[in-house]
Amino acid sequence: AQSVTQPDIHITVSEGASLELRCNYSYGATPYLFWYVQSPGQGLQLLLKYFSGDTLVQGIKGFEAEFKRSQSSFNLRKPSVHWSDAAEYFCAVISGTYKYIFGTGTRLKVLA
Amino acid sequence: DAGVIQSPRHEVTEMGQEVTLRCKPISGHNSLFWYRQTMMRGLELLIYFNNNVPIDDSGMPEDRFSAKMPNASFSTLKIQPSEPRDSAVYFCASSLVGSAYNEQFFGPGTRLTVL
Repeated sequence: AQSVTQPDIHITVSEGASLELRCNYSYGATPYLFWYVQSPGQGLQLLLKYFSGDTLVQGIKGFEAEFKRSQSSFNLRKPSVHWSDAAEYFCAVISGTYKYIFGTGTRLKVLA
Repeated sequence: DAGVIQSPRHEVTEMGQEVTLRCKPISGHNSLFWYRQTMMRGLELLIYFNNNVPIDDSGMPEDRFSAKMPNASFSTLKIQPSEPRDSAVYFCASSLVGSAYNEQFFGPGTRLTVL
């Protein structure tokens, strides 16, 4: 069965430090992968997506993610974290044509 | 582009009362999704509409929950009667399924508290 695993429930980093959020997926075919961010009290906003082609995907707010088929991973990265990046981050894969399978989320805390 | 619009943003009600949540999808999108988010269960897909027709309602928890989409610009999720365990944030999302990306756009959510 398809699944998405985000192994880190909470991550704390200092402002200006680099960030990597992990995402592993289980999917039989070529996956369509997404990263969303949810700020407190807000809906989910798409950061970036991968469908095919270049395995390094650039997104909004300075985020990027790298698709590694051999590791079944789609990790999210940012070279320098800002205090406004504190939020919850969700990785998702599309199953079939419409059904998102979400990971359980990683809550990011940024220290000043 | 106003994005997906949900109302109300917050709802507090007493157990046994009827609750109706509303959603206006992005114009031109052909698909609408209702999700529920709780700490215990994360994000759960409740129901999926395509061209106003319910396609997948396997996530609707029980008969107390019902959803309608009378036209392309409006959908409701109704809980009758409501129970404390229904307390959650309910999100509506819309998408153009069949496009290259099938990206879903989420509304701000309705935070429901059932006392």
